Amino acid sequence: AQTVTQSQPEMSVQEAETVTLSCTYDTSESNYYLFWYKQPPSRQMILVIRQEAYKQQNATENRFSVNFQKAAKSFSLKISDSQLGDTAMYFCAFGAYSGAGSYQLTFGKGTKLSVIP
Amino acid sequence: NAGVTQTPKFQVLKTGQSMTLQCAQDMNHNSMYWYRQDPGMGLRLIYYSASEGTTDKGEVPNGYNVSRLNKREFSLRLESAAPSQTSVYFCASSVEGRYNSPLHFGNGTRLTVT
Repeated sequence: AQTVTQSQPEMSVQEAETVTLSCTYDTSESNYYLFWYKQPPSRQMILVIRQEAYKQQNATENRFSVNFQKAAKSFSLKISDSQLGDTAMYFCAFGAYSGAGSYQLTFGKGTKLSVIP
Repeated sequence: NAGVTQTPKFQVLKTGQSMTLQCAQDMNHNSMYWYRQDPGMGLRLIYYSASEGTTDKGEVPNGYNVSRLNKREFSLRLESAAPSQTSVYFCASSVEGRYNSPLHFGNGTRLTVT
């Protein structure tokens, strides 16, 4: 079974600064994907970024980028030029094949990020 | 394009009552999922349906049943609600249930069982 650990329950960052959210995972799978989801106070779950395990290059989406360290099983999210709208819960998630033609997505417990004006 | 639609948005039940949470997606996705979200626990998978006509248990299936009515709709039923089922419930869908397919979520249902 896969596990996903987010060791920072809460974080805060000044507007326009950079912040990094940590995520580690444990798996014996070789093919998998990693995701970061954002959940603002509206409760909507929004995909921020995803990383393919077999790709060495770190994924980027505008102000969001990841630092994927496969050997260390680490997948951190960096948010540059933080904005007030980035205030949200952030969930790290792991996706791997689970047999029977399907897969399950395993989520971490989340990090609550507050952007301070 | 509505995406994933869940009803109701809020519900209060008494212990022992039953109810069905409805979910529909209009993206022609094959796979659908039900998650529950509890404070400090992240999201945990209750049941999923890899394709029309199939359903499988997830991490926390006890006390729930599901029905994949057709390709669009996937309902979650609580037969006899318990206070431990107080939670926020999310329905999600993905293209093919492959591990590289991101999930598209509904807006959630906040359920309180008293």
